[in-house]
Amino acid sequence: GAVVSQHPSWVICKSGTSVKIECRSLDFQATTMFWYRQFPKQSLMLMATSNEGSKATYEQGVEKDKFLINHASLTLSTLTVTSAHPEDSSFYICIPVGAYGYTFGSGTRLTVV
Amino acid sequence: QQPVQSPQAVILREGEDAVINCSSSKALYSVHWYRQKHGEAPIFLMILLKGGEQKGHDKISASFNEKKQQSSLYLTASQLSYSGTYFCGTEKGSGNTGKLIFGQGTTLQVKP
Repeated sequence: GAVVSQHPSWVICKSGTSVKIECRSLDFQATTMFWYRQFPKQSLMLMATSNEGSKATYEQGVEKDKFLINHASLTLSTLTVTSAHPEDSSFYICIPVGAYGYTFGSGTRLTVV
Repeated sequence: QQPVQSPQAVILREGEDAVINCSSSKALYSVHWYRQKHGEAPIFLMILLKGGEQKGHDKISASFNEKKQQSSLYLTASQLSYSGTYFCGTEKGSGNTGKLIFGQGTTLQVKP
């Protein structure tokens, strides 16, 4: 049990464009979804927390209008990086939480050129 | 507040032991341990939920001292596959569903 699918695994986009990252819990329902990002050689930093059907709660310093989170169902959450810039290049990881506790997505490496 | 890990980096020979510590200035309700290989997402090693709890799998074990607000990860007779960056994660609140705050990481390199 506790299988998470995060797509895409990597994406390269041009500065100014938007990128959507999907996170699906395949065999459990995720009442809560955490989105983290990790810059090279750094730790995982929490960006936002979302609960199904509610607006996401963003950590201090994370722009909610830039990082749009949608948690429309108990098995799907998306993170859209809008108007991406090179400084948004990072490794993004979703962590849905359900009956099995925390299950990490495989991560998405975003490179903005 | 981010938990503090020590040491920042460790280099070992195969078969040697290592200890990684994780401490917090705030009360800990649970401690999670993860290992991350380069370019991959962290993988779960274990979670300690109660003060005084110790658990292990194969030659990796951990303890949780609730009173001292710290946890330690023990790697015994290290193997090459143990190389990676180890993170502890502490949870705000109990119940295994709260925010995880990760330490800064400890890089472990095991050499033949």
